[in-house]
Amino acid sequence: AQSVTQLDSQVPVFEEAPVELRCNYSSSVSVYLFWYVQYPNQGLQLLLKYLSGSTLVESINGFEAEFNKSQTSFHLRKPSVHISDTAEYFCAVSGNSGGYQKVTFGTGTKLQVIP
Amino acid sequence: DAGITQSPRYKITETGRQVTLMCHQTWSHSYMFWYRQDLGHGLRLIYYSAAADITDKGEVPDGYVVSRSKTENFPLTLESATRSQTSVYFCASSEPGGHTGELFFGEGSRLTVL
Repeated sequence: AQSVTQLDSQVPVFEEAPVELRCNYSSSVSVYLFWYVQYPNQGLQLLLKYLSGSTLVESINGFEAEFNKSQTSFHLRKPSVHISDTAEYFCAVSGNSGGYQKVTFGTGTKLQVIP
Repeated sequence: DAGITQSPRYKITETGRQVTLMCHQTWSHSYMFWYRQDLGHGLRLIYYSAAADITDKGEVPDGYVVSRSKTENFPLTLESATRSQTSVYFCASSEPGGHTGELFFGEGSRLTVL
């Protein structure tokens, strides 16, 4: 079984301030890790992913996440947020389950950037 | 443009009626999924399909029916809608083989059951 925990349902932060969105997971098999972003009235879009190799992964718009196997975490960070980053962020884990990659999502964190 | 198209985007129906949500993808991805999104629950898997004519239950399948006669289409049917099925429904697909689990989502279908 696998699970994802996003403890913070909402995170307000001032524009240009740093932010960290926390994600912890549990799984009995090796996993791939993802962050998805959802803007209002839209579907989810992939923000970044960890498949293998370097534990620090980056997105094209300045977000980064670090895979920490010992702490089973994959926290998302950005050093300086913009108004346009206001959205809901979902952490997800995928692991092999009966021959296919089962994906489990966290409950999401709403990032509210305050001008 | 290539991608996943869901229809209708918005639907209001009454308890007991049958509703079908459509999903069409142009990537020829083998795996397709239906999720529902509810406040406090994140996304929960309803059904998935590994290929045409192969479907399987997800986490919350009760009250839903799926079919996949063609690779590109994966409709979701609520045979007798209930108020608890008011939700936003997302169709998604993954690359051939689905070996990483990376998902590509449609824009969603917002369903209200009165």
